[in-house]
Amino acid sequence: QVTLKESGPTLVKPTQTLTLTCAFSGFSLSTSGVRVGWIRQPPGKALEWLALIYGNDDKRYSPSLKTRLTITKDTSKNQVVLTMTNMDPVDTATYYCVHSKTGYWYFDLWGRGTVVTVSS
Amino acid sequence: DIQMTQSPSTLSASVGDRVTITCRASQGISTWLAWYQQKPGKAPKLLIYKTSSLESGVPSRFSGSGSGTEFTLTISSLQPDDFATYYCQQYNSYSTFGQGTKVEIK
Repeated sequence: QVTLKESGPTLVKPTQTLTLTCAFSGFSLSTSGVRVGWIRQPPGKALEWLALIYGNDDKRYSPSLKTRLTITKDTSKNQVVLTMTNMDPVDTATYYCVHSKTGYWYFDLWGRGTVVTVSS
Repeated sequence: DIQMTQSPSTLSASVGDRVTITCRASQGISTWLAWYQQKPGKAPKLLIYKTSSLESGVPSRFSGSGSGTEFTLTISSLQPDDFATYYCQQYNSYSTFGQGTKVEIK
């Protein structure tokens, strides 16, 4: 059974750096075509794709947030980590870890999400 | 960036109705489009990928069509479990989502 679980702080202060971890099971990021990424959703708003990492360590970022994002993987721990710098209240959102198995950028599995609030 | 625009934003319908949601892309995306269903407090669920391919386990009352810049999601006979918000997603160039269409009970 494939699962993804997000973890990280629920509250961060403006200007701080957010670090989120996605712990996954039931698949290997080394498998051809598998990608793991992050998507966020501000309260009552639409989904926004943030970043994606491939098994060969290739990475893709949202052009509008590229300067603030870093995605990394630890294949031995089955984890993917997203860092976002210079957090602002507009970054308040539910952050989802997502899985793609086909090599295409649609996402067949999602974690439950983790809520992050940015406030002083 | 490719912008995705869904219409309508809200749709009121009754059980048994045929429902159609439209998604328009700001530039051509071939058939690289997916649809998701999201219920309150839950993660989105993949319904359709590559415009018209039904994800495993998704009821056949859901269907998708289109190409280029205009796409539709159709629910042939709305069921109580289908009241939710639906999002389209393009993955031709990076990835962007539409703003969502809420299907509510009439």
